[in-house]
Amino acid sequence: DSGVTQTPKHLITATGQRVTLRCSPRSGDLSVYWYQQSLDQGLQFLIQYYNGEERAKGNILERFSAQQFPDLHSELNLSSLELGDSALYFCASGNQNIGELFFGEGSRLTVL
Amino acid sequence: GESVGLHLPTLSVQEGDNSIINCAYSNSASDYFIWYKQESGKGPQFIIDIRSNMDKRQGQRVTVLLNKTVKHLSLQIAATQPGDSAVYFCAENTPDRSYKLIFGSGTRLLVRP
Repeated sequence: DSGVTQTPKHLITATGQRVTLRCSPRSGDLSVYWYQQSLDQGLQFLIQYYNGEERAKGNILERFSAQQFPDLHSELNLSSLELGDSALYFCASGNQNIGELFFGEGSRLTVL
Repeated sequence: GESVGLHLPTLSVQEGDNSIINCAYSNSASDYFIWYKQESGKGPQFIIDIRSNMDKRQGQRVTVLLNKTVKHLSLQIAATQPGDSAVYFCAENTPDRSYKLIFGSGTRLLVRP
């Protein structure tokens, strides 16, 4: 158990819909990272937050947004969903500038 | 966190043999590297890391080698066991402000009994 909690574990929705994925980092970790894992892309970095502020952005679509709340949990919002958004979405947390990231079990999103 | 269905290169080894998984990284300025293991149905798990001022680091049954000249990492697993079957990813950290990890495409390791 990494200490990172993600909900929901599975989500099935239709194209055009909007979903929110939730992540609770390990106790004491200030950084939260979101990654997308799809069949042909491996683990793609989406966005990072540190202590409530956006720290880095990767290949995140404009239809996607995220935030980190004062209690350090984070939410990833995916809107106007397309079939190609079907993937595993991982949250990771860490507390070092460079160092190990601890991953949650992922949220599997299926867009029909 | 299952990775079944990913179109990954696969390494098949006999139980008890040593495994070597290779990774080419992209940024010559990267200063920190990690190997992760992802088992079916789980998120990636840390195996071992290495900083760019080192060329070798050993853990329990695992060794990471770093060749900065050719931007190459390898993970060696000694006496491979069935429980080592998983997808292995290397990740690099570039020395910008963001401290994010960029992952390679992964290698699937299959251990034959």
